[in-house]
Amino acid sequence: DQQVKQNSPSLSVQEGRISILNCDYTNSMFDYFLWYKKYPAEGPTFLISISSIKDKNEDGRFTVFLNKSAKHLSLHIVPSQPGDSAVYFCAASWGHNNDMRFGAGTRLTVKP
Amino acid sequence: SQTIHQWPATLVQPVGSPLSLECTVEGTSNPNLYWYRQAAGRGLQLLFYSVGIGQISSEVPQNLSASRPQDRQFILSSKKLLLSDSGFYLCAGTGSGTEAFFGQGTRLTVV
Repeated sequence: DQQVKQNSPSLSVQEGRISILNCDYTNSMFDYFLWYKKYPAEGPTFLISISSIKDKNEDGRFTVFLNKSAKHLSLHIVPSQPGDSAVYFCAASWGHNNDMRFGAGTRLTVKP
Repeated sequence: SQTIHQWPATLVQPVGSPLSLECTVEGTSNPNLYWYRQAAGRGLQLLFYSVGIGQISSEVPQNLSASRPQDRQFILSSKKLLLSDSGFYLCAGTGSGTEAFFGQGTRLTVV
């Protein structure tokens, strides 16, 4: 059962434009959400996170939005840069046990 | 800081041979540990997760098994590899912090 879903396997964006990566989840117990960035043959690296008590968190060019009623979150990258090209994973966790689930990932390609 | 040591980084194995990938954790106790696989051109798939010694949950039926003989050790195994087992295997953990931490991954090619 895939509790965290990224329905777009790939996304292509022009340099300087906005990239919007989407993620949906099914488990209402999730209370903390994270985005990770992964380059080929490397482990993912943490990018940005948001707690369920917030609906927006911003860090430089990266902003994560959370819509709890829709069980949906998104990552906005503005402006997009070629170096942002990577696979982005959405993750969700819950409870003191900090169990975590990842989406399948979205491959972002930023074209110069 | 919480870290995972995962080895080997690359592995080429013939069909039918056994497999053992190991990851060890430093910097935290009683972590939740995960084995993920990323097949070529596909997303990250959860294979196994463990909340403690000897406790293994499997997400998908497969040719692989996992074991957790010690709190900070998580092993992925197979008795006989298939071509479809090729992929990038990633060990991950969650501990006292809110973020997951990852090994560097193992690229397995079954020939």
